[in-house]
Amino acid sequence: DGGITQSPKYLFRKEGQNVTLSCEQNLNHDAMYWYRQDPGQGLRLIYYSQIVNDFQKGDIAEGYSVSREKKESFPLTVTSAQKNPTAFYLCASSGTGYEKLFFGSGTQLSVL
Amino acid sequence: AQTVTQSQPEMSVQEAETVTLSCTYDTSENNYYLFWYKQPPSRQMILVIRQEAYKQQNATENRFSVNFQKAAKSFSLKISDSQLGDTAMYFCPPTGNQFYFGTGTSLTVIP
Repeated sequence: DGGITQSPKYLFRKEGQNVTLSCEQNLNHDAMYWYRQDPGQGLRLIYYSQIVNDFQKGDIAEGYSVSREKKESFPLTVTSAQKNPTAFYLCASSGTGYEKLFFGSGTQLSVL
Repeated sequence: AQTVTQSQPEMSVQEAETVTLSCTYDTSENNYYLFWYKQPPSRQMILVIRQEAYKQQNATENRFSVNFQKAAKSFSLKISDSQLGDTAMYFCPPTGNQFYFGTGTSLTVIP
């Protein structure tokens, strides 16, 4: 079945450590997105990519980095520069017409 | 650029009653879609209903319907015969290259 897979489901980060969240899709979608969600809050856009080897910053890109080397994959790295990384992270993808957004099941990142 | 305003941060409704969630938006797109997504306590995002902006007819999906006022940039969601499973956060992003979500409305269905 087609869909988006995020891993891991739970992730813990130590002080000063970089961690990478995985997002893979087999929907043949060009556009992919990363959102951050704090408890009881909405979704805020971190980065998005409309095509392989290209991506743009969203509203809260500081302290995060991404790559888009393959159409299927859009990993997010939470760097040590992100001082408050504890949040729920959602990955999503969309076809070229933006007619629907498909979501992964999310990764909960916590700081040890 | 896109913006979304959901003026009701929290709402509650009795089971089997009807509730309407409001949403206003702004977008620079000419052709676009509007969506209502729900996020239950499981935190999985689920598409509830979709409206194509060029269609005048309001979308309906079982107990869910929308009131789309394009000139006013208003897009409300009506839930009829509310069920306990409707308890969730609801978001109304307009389409575009960024899918801006806003702060959402938390709906609680009371038994």
